[in-house]
Amino acid sequence: EAQVTQNPRYLITVTGKKLTVTCSQNMNHEYMSWYRQDPGLGLRQIYYSMNVEVTDKGDVPEGYKVSRKEKRNFPLILESPSPNQTSLYFCASSLLEVGNEDEQFFGPGTRLTVL
Amino acid sequence: QKEVEQNSGPLSVPEGAIASLNCTYSDRGSQSFFWYRQYSGKSPELIMFIYSNGDKEDGRFTAQLNKASQYVSLLIRDSQPSDSATYLCAVTYSSASKIIFGSGTRLSIRP
Repeated sequence: EAQVTQNPRYLITVTGKKLTVTCSQNMNHEYMSWYRQDPGLGLRQIYYSMNVEVTDKGDVPEGYKVSRKEKRNFPLILESPSPNQTSLYFCASSLLEVGNEDEQFFGPGTRLTVL
Repeated sequence: QKEVEQNSGPLSVPEGAIASLNCTYSDRGSQSFFWYRQYSGKSPELIMFIYSNGDKEDGRFTAQLNKASQYVSLLIRDSQPSDSATYLCAVTYSSASKIIFGSGTRLSIRP
């Protein structure tokens, strides 16, 4: 089954404790992206990657890191989480860059709470 | 700051009627426009995309784009209770690799 998976789905952590949210897709997509969704603010793009070893900042990259060592995986790293990073996070992928006709497929989301 | 604006709603529409959702964007260089549907607690799913001025129809859904006025709309004909969801407008700009989402319009179809 073609899908985007994220782990964990739910995470409660404390300020400053490094964490990684994994994202994996099995569709051989080149483009992958991370978003956060907050009430009243919609989805905001954190980072995106157009291919292996090619990543770039979205609109809200502060406090986050990403890496793209393999085509299928695009982990999101929070080196020192803070309470303002409490949010719902979505990973997404598409065959080509998002401006083309290719649909973005979203993962199920990761609900992160930073105390 | 590039922006995408949507009325947050809720927009309440009787079953069988036409639901009209609107979105405005600030960047005249925007190239691609998308409508996503998001059910409560679920991830967004693509409903339609449009690139050219005018209308694009797909089943009960019609997307309308007016680049001169910088707005894009989504019409849902013969609205069904299953259409009750939040609808997100999204716009790409610059290299088309970056995308901005609106905050979404919550649509409720009443029986």
